[in-house]
Amino acid sequence: EDQVTQSPEALRLQEGESSSLNCSYTVSGLRGLFWYRQDPGKGPEFLFTLYSAGEEKEKERLKATLTKKESFLHITAPKPEDSATYLCAVQAEDDYKLSFGAGTTVTVRA
Amino acid sequence: SQTIHQWPATLVQPVGSPLSLECTVEGTSNPNLYWYRQAAGRGLQLLFYSIGIDQISSEVPQNLSASRPQDRQFILSSKKLLLSDSGFYLCAWSMEARNTDTQYFGPGTRLTVL
Repeated sequence: EDQVTQSPEALRLQEGESSSLNCSYTVSGLRGLFWYRQDPGKGPEFLFTLYSAGEEKEKERLKATLTKKESFLHITAPKPEDSATYLCAVQAEDDYKLSFGAGTTVTVRA
Repeated sequence: SQTIHQWPATLVQPVGSPLSLECTVEGTSNPNLYWYRQAAGRGLQLLFYSIGIDQISSEVPQNLSASRPQDRQFILSSKKLLLSDSGFYLCAWSMEARNTDTQYFGPGTRLTVL
């Protein structure tokens, strides 16, 4: 069974204080690894898809990287508007299902 | 561009009452459609997915059911709600592209069963 573990559960940052979120996964053949951002009371917003180890993608202050066992979401010089819960999910080959981690809740203080 | 709608946004229902949540997608045809449930502090759990009309698969045995009466409409139903059905219900869609389905989520429905 596919497993996704995210750490830490919660992260409090000062504005401008860079940090990283971890997503460890176990899947029988990775089809894709996904990062989403979720604001309270709203649906997840798609950020990135990573397909293979060594791949990196960036969007504004966010950068996602992928190895064979884990993915990192780096937040560089965060702003208060980056406060949200960040979700990681994996999709196995020949499967429609996304298996999600429980998320990391990031709070950025001004 | 594609958009996905869900309604109602919030719902409070008594135990034993029926349920009907609706999801529609605009701007695409023949999408794959999904229903997820998100419980507080837990990851999203896939309930149903559909790759076409009358093609619906259930991931978790429960008192919920799903139907797809039209290509871009997905409905989640229950005949009798349980307390444990409370949660945040999310509909998502995807298209087959580059061998990987990126799923895009709707705004969600907050269901409280009392």
